[in-house]
Amino acid sequence: NAGVMQNPRHLVRRRGQEARLRCSPMKGHSHVYWYRQLPEEGLKFMVYLQKENIIDESGMPKERFSAEFPKEGPSILRIQQVVRGDSAAYFCASSGTDVSTDTQYFGPGTRLTVL
Amino acid sequence: GQQVMQIPQYQHVQEGEDFTTYCNSSTTLSNIQWYKQRPGGHPVFLIQLVKSGEVKKQKRLTFQFGEAKKNSSLHITATQTTDVGTYFCAGLSGGSYIPTFGRGTSLIVHP
Repeated sequence: NAGVMQNPRHLVRRRGQEARLRCSPMKGHSHVYWYRQLPEEGLKFMVYLQKENIIDESGMPKERFSAEFPKEGPSILRIQQVVRGDSAAYFCASSGTDVSTDTQYFGPGTRLTVL
Repeated sequence: GQQVMQIPQYQHVQEGEDFTTYCNSSTTLSNIQWYKQRPGGHPVFLIQLVKSGEVKKQKRLTFQFGEAKKNSSLHITATQTTDVGTYFCAGLSGGSYIPTFGRGTSLIVHP
């Protein structure tokens, strides 16, 4: 019973390096959402994707951040030239085909630390 | 844009006391979802409410959706230390596919 999978669970990068976060949705789910969570704060929406399409990226910074969900393989959130302020927990969630009623199931998250 | 306010931000209780968190939306919602996140963990789906005035129970947890579908509450009876965590509400407005999360209420239970 594979739920939403994310890797790595912990990632340490130095300033200026690139961070790649991966998310495999739950079996049968075709919608992926990425959220960012700072300590003691709520979940901030970043981007919503379906296979090979970015549906809504209104919550994602215009620079350094990008996301994809290819036909084959996991969804990837990519952060280029990381800065200390990028340190956070990044959660991926997936849902089924009816986005208006289907609930989102979250992965375990990737804790990114930028030194 | 839609805003979802959640109060209180923190709540300390003695084990055995009750706990309630409230969620208020600036717009009418099509549904609302509740999640629990344990310290160091990830949000785990608890329940979804869809109908106006709906009340659902899960053991010691009672969830309500307001008549106007703009507010919701989660009530825990006789808290236990296993209830510790942050409880988030997430509201979805009609036509939208991105739920708006409240900031969460962190519950601390003292034994």
